[in-house]
Amino acid sequence: QVQLVESGGREVQPGTPLRLSCAASGFTFALSPMNWVRQAPGQGLEWVAFISSNGKTDSYADSVRDRFTISRDNSKSTLYLQMSSLSVDDTAVYYCARDGEGGSFDFWGQGTLVTFSS
Amino acid sequence: SYVLTQPPSVSVAPGKTATITCGGDNVGRESVHWYQQKPGQAPVRVIYYNSDRPSGIPERFSGSKSGNMATLTISRVEAGDEADYYCQVWDGVLERRSFGGGTQLTVL
Repeated sequence: QVQLVESGGREVQPGTPLRLSCAASGFTFALSPMNWVRQAPGQGLEWVAFISSNGKTDSYADSVRDRFTISRDNSKSTLYLQMSSLSVDDTAVYYCARDGEGGSFDFWGQGTLVTFSS
Repeated sequence: SYVLTQPPSVSVAPGKTATITCGGDNVGRESVHWYQQKPGQAPVRVIYYNSDRPSGIPERFSGSKSGNMATLTISRVEAGDEADYYCQVWDGVLERRSFGGGTQLTVL
C-alpha cells in the first residue's frame, strides 16, 4: 500500500535552515509527481510546492518562493523540502502528498511539525 | 493563485443532507477536488474531477459543479462525517494548486 512518511520537523529559531524529508513506498516513486502542503495551527490547508516525476519542473506558492526548494532523489524514493529564512509564519504541519488525477492529491503522509522557539 | 470561497461552517442533523459550496472565478473551467480532514489526521480525498469518487469513499459523498460554483453533497449524514472539508483546484499552466478556506461540518 502507498506510504508517505515525513520527517525532519522540529523546533527551530527564526532564520535557521531546515530540511524536511518524505520517504515513499508502495508505488513507483520515480513516476509520480509530488507536492508539499502545509497547515498552520488551527488554520486551513496551503499548497507549498510541486515537483515533476523527473525533478526537472517545480513550482511554488508565492509565500515560500525564493526561500524553499523542493527536490527529490528517485534512487532513494525520497522527497525533500529545503527551507531557509524561516519565520514564525512558517509554523505548520508539513505534509507530503502524491499528485493524483487532475492535479489532486491522492495520498498524504501524516505530516511533520515545524515550530519556533522564542 | 486561484481564490476559492467556502462557507466557514455548515450544520446538519444526522440522516439529513449536507451541502458545502466552493466558489471562484476559475471554478467553471477547472476541475474541483474535495478533501475531508478529521481532527489530528491527514486529509483524505473524497471527490476528484468534480464528481468522481475514489475507491473506498461511500456513495453518500457526491460532487457537482454549475458555472463557477462547485458543491460537495453528503447524503444521510452520520456522526462520523463531522470534519473539515476543503475544495481544491489545479492551474495546469503554472503547475500551481489552490485550496478553499475550508468548511467545518457539524453534525447536530
